[in-house]
Amino acid sequence: DAGVTQSPTHLIKTRGQHVTLRCSPISGHKSVSWYQQVLGQGPQFIFQYYEKEERGRGNFPDRFSARQFPNYSSELNVNALLLGDSALYLCASRPLAGWGQETQYFGPGTRLLVL
Amino acid sequence: TQLLEQSPQFLSIQEGENLTVYCNSSSVFSSLQWYRQEPGEGPVLLVTVVTGGEVKKLKRLTFQFGDARKDSSLHITAAQPGDTGLYLCAGAVRGSTLGRLYFGRGTQLTVWP
Repeated sequence: DAGVTQSPTHLIKTRGQHVTLRCSPISGHKSVSWYQQVLGQGPQFIFQYYEKEERGRGNFPDRFSARQFPNYSSELNVNALLLGDSALYLCASRPLAGWGQETQYFGPGTRLLVL
Repeated sequence: TQLLEQSPQFLSIQEGENLTVYCNSSSVFSSLQWYRQEPGEGPVLLVTVVTGGEVKKLKRLTFQFGDARKDSSLHITAAQPGDTGLYLCAGAVRGSTLGRLYFGRGTQLTVWP
């Protein structure tokens, strides 16, 4: 079975631009989470979506938004890009959304560079 | 503030040596995961531990979840160059945002032949 897929793999943008990152979860997984990983640190939680609704949000500004589609794929949008947004953006999926089902499976990530 | 403190941050050893990586917190976790990550790639799940005191083995890797579910350790026996990578612990806190994993900063392991 295919794992979590993300596109694009790499992206270069300039300050002030907008970016859209895409994620397809493992087949049958209904929950998608987004993380930001800055070089040298562990991933930081941005959003969790389940059944097309936002179920959780980390400490990120409103420039960050996301949505989930009926097929459970997801998009992460970042507006007004800053240099500090340069990072590896990771998408993770899991089958269900309840407690006791916390194991998440990660995609390969999208490397975003903001110049 | 880092909810999970991981140590050591860097580990450089010779092939054949044993090592232990620690993951500690003052919070109680409903589950804890260990991942391994290669440069520029996503974390790959190694194991999930759920029950306090649980020990899981994956070939030469042994994972332990503390009795109070506040800490965990990863022990590698007879390390090999193929074990080189970034090891991350991550936990879910009941009562926190559902679906949120809290990650440690990671342990960068290098095993020399």
